[in-house]
Amino acid sequence: GEDVEQSLFLSVREGDSSVINCTYTDSSSTYLYWYKQEPGAGLQLLTYIFSNMDMKQDQRLTVLLNKKDKHLSLRIADTQTGDSAIYFCAEFTGRRALTFGSGTRLQVQP
Amino acid sequence: GAGVSQTPSNKVTEKGKYVELRCDPISGHTALYWYRQSLGQGPEFLIYFQGTGAADDSGLPNDRFFAVRPEGSVSTLKIQRTERGDSAVYLCASSRTGGPGDTEAFFGQGTRLTVV
Repeated sequence: GEDVEQSLFLSVREGDSSVINCTYTDSSSTYLYWYKQEPGAGLQLLTYIFSNMDMKQDQRLTVLLNKKDKHLSLRIADTQTGDSAIYFCAEFTGRRALTFGSGTRLQVQP
Repeated sequence: GAGVSQTPSNKVTEKGKYVELRCDPISGHTALYWYRQSLGQGPEFLIYFQGTGAADDSGLPNDRFFAVRPEGSVSTLKIQRTERGDSAVYLCASSRTGGPGDTEAFFGQGTRLTVV
């Protein structure tokens, strides 16, 4: 079955790195995604990684994928107050739709 | 249009009433998805359209929920005999093809449905 899990909350200080973790269960996942949701706003795609990769870097964002452990992480370097939001991990499987985790609320303290 | 547009942005309805939620996808996108997001949860898949046909409706919770996309662009999610448990944000997303190489689905701002 499909199940994506994330921790609920993360608090960091401005300028520190944030690491948000996610585990998934469906080994047939082809793509794994990170979305950002700010209050009152829609879901914004941050980055994605194909399942045959183990790392992807995009400016301040680094995605690590451990396919053996079905573990995905998002590292945000030099976290800013504007990064405060809810971050969702999602997997895309053969059903052609996304399965989302319940989200990690990132709070950035000035 | 420039992005995925959903109307209305907010809908309050009485228990037992019928509601329709509309989604205008990005022009030319053949794949369209409906998700439901309850408070404190991630979006949950409801239904996926490829063109005019529902390719996967396995996420619809029961037969009170129905969706159409008659001309392969605008879609309407219809909920009959609404219940308080239907209260949630209903999100629509579209993507260019929905195929294996199509990596990005664009989401609308959602319709917040409140059943009182």
